[in-house]
Amino acid sequence: GENVEQHPSTLSVQEGDSAVIKCTYSDSASNYFPWYKQELGKGPQLIIDIRSNVGEKKDQRIAVTLNKTAKHFSLHITETQPEDSAVYFCAAIITTGTASKLTFGTGTRLQVTL
Amino acid sequence: ETGVTQSPTHLIKTRGQQVTLRCSSQSGHNTVSWYQQALGQGPQFIFQYYREEENGRGNFPPRFSGLQFPNYSSELNVNALELDDSALYLCASSPQVRDTQYFGPGTRLTVL
Repeated sequence: GENVEQHPSTLSVQEGDSAVIKCTYSDSASNYFPWYKQELGKGPQLIIDIRSNVGEKKDQRIAVTLNKTAKHFSLHITETQPEDSAVYFCAAIITTGTASKLTFGTGTRLQVTL
Repeated sequence: ETGVTQSPTHLIKTRGQQVTLRCSSQSGHNTVSWYQQALGQGPQFIFQYYREEENGRGNFPPRFSGLQFPNYSSELNVNALELDDSALYLCASSPQVRDTQYFGPGTRLTVL
């Protein structure tokens, strides 16, 4: 089955700096890659996603890049703010038969310091 | 538009008991997926329901079962609870099977 690896597990940046989180996946059949932000005591919130026919997508301070050949995808947050502090999960969707299953990475705890 | 809701928020059970967790899908969504998230880990896929039928399952034993109702709300049932079942249980809904999944706030289950 699909396996998603995520690095780093923790990341501390100063306010205004950029943060980059990297993921790799194993199954070349995966075709959709969402990123979720999870704050303490809450469910994961979708922040950006990318499909396999696109190499890059940007939404204000957040961007995601995808390299299908290398099976890598990354999240870039620019001009970080304290409210960006949370756990971020990458995920890959693979559709097997009639179901679409999200496989998550292990998460990155991002701390933005003043 | 109402998002995905789950009940209860927290639940404490003892080993061997049974539990039912509930999820209301986002309006217009016909697919519901359930995930288990242990502390400090990413969510793990339990199963998915589409139009009241289970259409995919992860590596969870049969004592994890579910239902989806005609209004697309869903239940997760866990029998013979074990200590390792303590986790955050997340429900996610999507407009169709292959679409983006939107998560509810989760139910925190503690098994003593």
